[in-house]
Amino acid sequence: GDSVTQMEGPVTLSEEAFLTINCTYTATGYPSLFWYVQYPGEGLQLLLKATKADDKGSNKGFEATYRKETTSFHLEKGSVQVSDSAVYFCALRYFGNEKLTFGTGTRLTIIP
Amino acid sequence: GAVVSQHPSWVICKSGTSVKIECRSLDFQATTMFWYRQFPKQSLMLMATSNEGSKATYEQGVEKDKFLINHASLTLSTLTVTSAHPEDSSFYICSPGIAGGQETQYFGPGTRLLVL
Repeated sequence: GDSVTQMEGPVTLSEEAFLTINCTYTATGYPSLFWYVQYPGEGLQLLLKATKADDKGSNKGFEATYRKETTSFHLEKGSVQVSDSAVYFCALRYFGNEKLTFGTGTRLTIIP
Repeated sequence: GAVVSQHPSWVICKSGTSVKIECRSLDFQATTMFWYRQFPKQSLMLMATSNEGSKATYEQGVEKDKFLINHASLTLSTLTVTSAHPEDSSFYICSPGIAGGQETQYFGPGTRLLVL
């Protein structure tokens, strides 16, 4: 079956550091890929998405590129801020199907 | 964007008791509600899908008699963990279904259950 594997956290970085959170997937078809973020006390929110190979999703300075050849969707940000501290979930879903398959989540803490 | 609330956010209970978790979609009507749970260091896993006015659909391995789901209205779905045991301690999250295959899906803030 389909699955998503994320790098284990927690990840702690200093402000303005470069961030990479790895995500790889296994899928029987051609899913859309997502990054969700959960800030403390809030629900998961969509951060960015990509619907097909080589698409790049971007939002709030974060980027991720749908790499079919490596089955990856790594999340990157060039300069993190304290406000980026949250839990990040990588996920996949097929078009027309509301069921999401999630990774384990990666807790990110940014220290000033 | 849509707002989804869950209550309670935290619950600690004794083994053998039942716990009810409420999920409300505050600004739109949800004919479908997805219930997820996450054990420590594991993925967020879909448990069941509730449908307003009909029986819920459970994922393989999820006991329907233990996790009772009620979706009595378009804005409220409840998950009741009956006769809770320590192995039911987990993080439970609800997510209203989005019509028309839209990409954006909204989630509640989650309920952390600890069974002693």
